[in-house]
Amino acid sequence: QSALTQPASVSGSPGQSITISCTGTSSDVGSYNRVSWYQQHPGKAPKVMIFDGSTRPSGVSNRFSGSKSGNTASLTISGLQAEDEADYYCCSYAGSSSYVFGTGTKVTVL
Amino acid sequence: QVQVMQSGAEVKKPGASVKVSCKASGYTFTGYYMHWVRQAPGQGLEWMGRINPNSGDTNYAQKFQGRVTMTRDTSISTAYMEMSRLRSDDTAIYYCARAYGDYHFFDYWGQGTLVTVSS
Repeated sequence: QSALTQPASVSGSPGQSITISCTGTSSDVGSYNRVSWYQQHPGKAPKVMIFDGSTRPSGVSNRFSGSKSGNTASLTISGLQAEDEADYYCCSYAGSSSYVFGTGTKVTVL
Repeated sequence: QVQVMQSGAEVKKPGASVKVSCKASGYTFTGYYMHWVRQAPGQGLEWMGRINPNSGDTNYAQKFQGRVTMTRDTSISTAYMEMSRLRSDDTAIYYCARAYGDYHFFDYWGQGTLVTVSS
């Protein structure tokens, strides 16, 4: 199972919106609406930001939103804030009780 | 409150085995799958497998089949991940992460256990 493809880095100024893509295949992202997104600050464990493609867990800011089209899922952060600077990973259910993570994207707030 | 606490850092020699523990509290241990994810230094997250604490059934990523064994002890609400035949590229932080109910995401993560493989 190959890792899902994400851009290595994305940057934006405070207040702007950015979008991170997560490209898989018809065997994972394309077949299931089971993509989750995780935020990871340096030295910390990941934190779920989106699950089932577009659902925000309780307590996660509504500045975070998710979508999917075909084999590509996307995470959008609107109203970018300094605290959003972190690494972001997508994860998809890949069938047969297996999962696959994305390659990760470093978000920089300029 | 839900907590997932992992065992401390380990240093192992190539070819040795390591067993990392993950103690759950604040919820019914047998009601939620526990997954294991690793992260090599400066690298991304990698899914390793999961265990159903109720039945003990396991599913492993193909890459780790035959080298990783996940077990649990329901009497102390603890899951374990044992990896054998360690190599230098197994140096990583190993996380356990609870799967939320019947959903396919991880809502509570352990703090991570650094396993260093070095001669």
